[in-house]
Amino acid sequence: SQTIHQWPATLVQPVGSPLSLECTVEGTSNPNLYWYRQAAGRGLQLLFYSVGIGQISSEVPQNLSASRPQDRQFILSSKKLLLSDSGFYLCAWAPPAGSNQPQHFGDGTRLSIL
Amino acid sequence: GENVEQHPSTLSVQEGDSAVIKCTYSDSASNYFPWYKQELGKGPQLIIDIRSNVGEKKDQRIAVTLNKTAKHFSLHITETQPEDSAVYFCAASRSYIPTFGRGTSLIVHP
Repeated sequence: SQTIHQWPATLVQPVGSPLSLECTVEGTSNPNLYWYRQAAGRGLQLLFYSVGIGQISSEVPQNLSASRPQDRQFILSSKKLLLSDSGFYLCAWAPPAGSNQPQHFGDGTRLSIL
Repeated sequence: GENVEQHPSTLSVQEGDSAVIKCTYSDSASNYFPWYKQELGKGPQLIIDIRSNVGEKKDQRIAVTLNKTAKHFSLHITETQPEDSAVYFCAASRSYIPTFGRGTSLIVHP
């Protein structure tokens, strides 16, 4: 069966510090991968998605970036965190077989910026 | 692009009552409609989905109905239990990028 892992579960960082959040998927090949942010108020904001190694699409211009160095690894990064980057970050994967497949989410990283 | 509206934002029911959450979408080309349940501190989990060639789907106490003409779909939970308390999201999709509703916080009082 497929599993998705995100780490760390919680992170407290000072303003201006760098960030690296990692997500890995097991049990599937060539998944579509996604990064979402969930601020207070519950909505899911799509940040980045990837349909293959090295292919990253950005939905929201900001100081975050994403990379996919391996087929089942998705990394969210920042060189300098802002207070507004606080939130709950979720990674998700979906089967590669075309469109209209369910997404499967990890348990998220709670990021607090001080 | 697609726009998904979800109502209500908060729903409070007594244990054993039914709960209904409604969503409307704008893109008539959307053909896949999943529902997710998010418990506190966890990621959303898929609970049921429906495709545009089906009008209704049921899985034990939960069911989803779809009206393509009116472009709305609903989640029905019967015989609610305290463990059903969570935030529920609907989504609409015609590609690999779904559009999510803003969520409904369901509170089931024992």
